[in-house]
Amino acid sequence: DTGVSQNPRHKITKRGQNVTFRCDPISEHNRLYWYRQTLGQGPEFLTYFQNEAQLEKSRLLSDRFSAERPKGSFSTLEIQRTEQGDSAMYLCASSFGGPSVSEQYFGPGTRLTVT
Amino acid sequence: KQEVTQIPAALSVPEGENLVLNCSFTDSAIYNLQWFRQDPGKGLTSLLLIQSSQREQTSGRLNASLDKSSGRSTLYIAASQPGDSATYLCAPYGQNFVFGPGTRLSVLP
Repeated sequence: DTGVSQNPRHKITKRGQNVTFRCDPISEHNRLYWYRQTLGQGPEFLTYFQNEAQLEKSRLLSDRFSAERPKGSFSTLEIQRTEQGDSAMYLCASSFGGPSVSEQYFGPGTRLTVT
Repeated sequence: KQEVTQIPAALSVPEGENLVLNCSFTDSAIYNLQWFRQDPGKGLTSLLLIQSSQREQTSGRLNASLDKSSGRSTLYIAASQPGDSATYLCAPYGQNFVFGPGTRLSVLP
């Protein structure tokens, strides 16, 4: 068990470009979450998957954001036409979930800077 | 909609002190509550998970309590050390996944 991994760790992009982040959860975990965190704030929920099904999306997730989890394993988060306001730390977490939420384990995050 | 506050926002204490961090939430219909620490520029590290049916959970020098009906949780850190310096966040899990803004702790040697 190597924990939750995220790639890349850092991404600098120009406004208007598309970016894609990857998250590899703990292998036996069926739930995967994406959050966004800006300086001095707690993480803000974006979306979560149970296996390959995307069960919930925040209103923060505009049409420019899309997330996938093919085959219920790794997940990708894509941001199209990036804006400076997208600059943040993007965090992924996973858990083994039943009817209620169990302990979430976080990855190291991907820091996005949009210039 | 769940709202989470954490008091104090920042705390600076000398090494060896016992301290209490507070977490308040508005919607008591939660499954459980998790406490995390976050070092600068890093992801969150899980400290404790308290089930809604539990009142307390302990791990080493950490003790977390939960009073679901009043919408409060406290994290007690005994004999603080400089290595405890970090931001501590709480997350009550219910219908929404909402985190508190955190308490930034500095433990001075």
